[in-house]
Amino acid sequence: NAGVTQTPKFRILKIGQSMTLQCTQDMNHNYMYWYRQDPGMGLKLIYYSVGAGITDKGEVPNGYNVSRSTTEDFPLRLELAAPSQTSVYFCASSPEKGISNYGYTFGSGTRLTVV
Amino acid sequence: DQQVKQNSPSLSVQEGRISILNCDYTNSMFDYFLWYKKYPAEGPTFLISISSIKDKNEDGRFTVFLNKSAKHLSLHIVPSQPGDSAVYFCAATGRYGQNFVFGPGTRLSVLP
Repeated sequence: NAGVTQTPKFRILKIGQSMTLQCTQDMNHNYMYWYRQDPGMGLKLIYYSVGAGITDKGEVPNGYNVSRSTTEDFPLRLELAAPSQTSVYFCASSPEKGISNYGYTFGSGTRLTVV
Repeated sequence: DQQVKQNSPSLSVQEGRISILNCDYTNSMFDYFLWYKKYPAEGPTFLISISSIKDKNEDGRFTVFLNKSAKHLSLHIVPSQPGDSAVYFCAATGRYGQNFVFGPGTRLSVLP
């Protein structure tokens, strides 16, 4: 039972490079989320999706793009990496939005460093 | 402006004693709260939740208390065990299912 799978686990990017953080869930959850966690800060919502083909901005969307072509996959794209995007990125999913007895299921995270 | 605050970045407790982690919020529209636990190199995992219609919810060694008038909740762990050493996040949402807002976390160390 895989849950939410994120790849890669670690990545170092040079300024201006681009990359895609992959996220896949096998629980048939409609809702998926991308968060970033900076040291000493709570998780900040970047983008979320309420179903295939539907995405929306969260609190900190600048510098990122997402797509949701299938229920399972929710990749996060960084087009022009900047040092401010150095962070740990978490993908999460839930069967419904917000209120849930069990909250979100999170992936194990991607640690990204931009140099 | 942090809507969910955890003012203690870290807490150390002896094994077998009680751990109390605190969380304060500013948005009066929040009425559903969760605690997550996070080990290093892992994603957060759900621990316990409480809705505003209750003031207490208990699950084994974990109890969450909610004081709506003070906009304060706390997580009690009794007795604390070394395996409880982790970062604990408080999260809140409103009754209409808005996205959760997370606090910055408190690192709990349970000393043997």
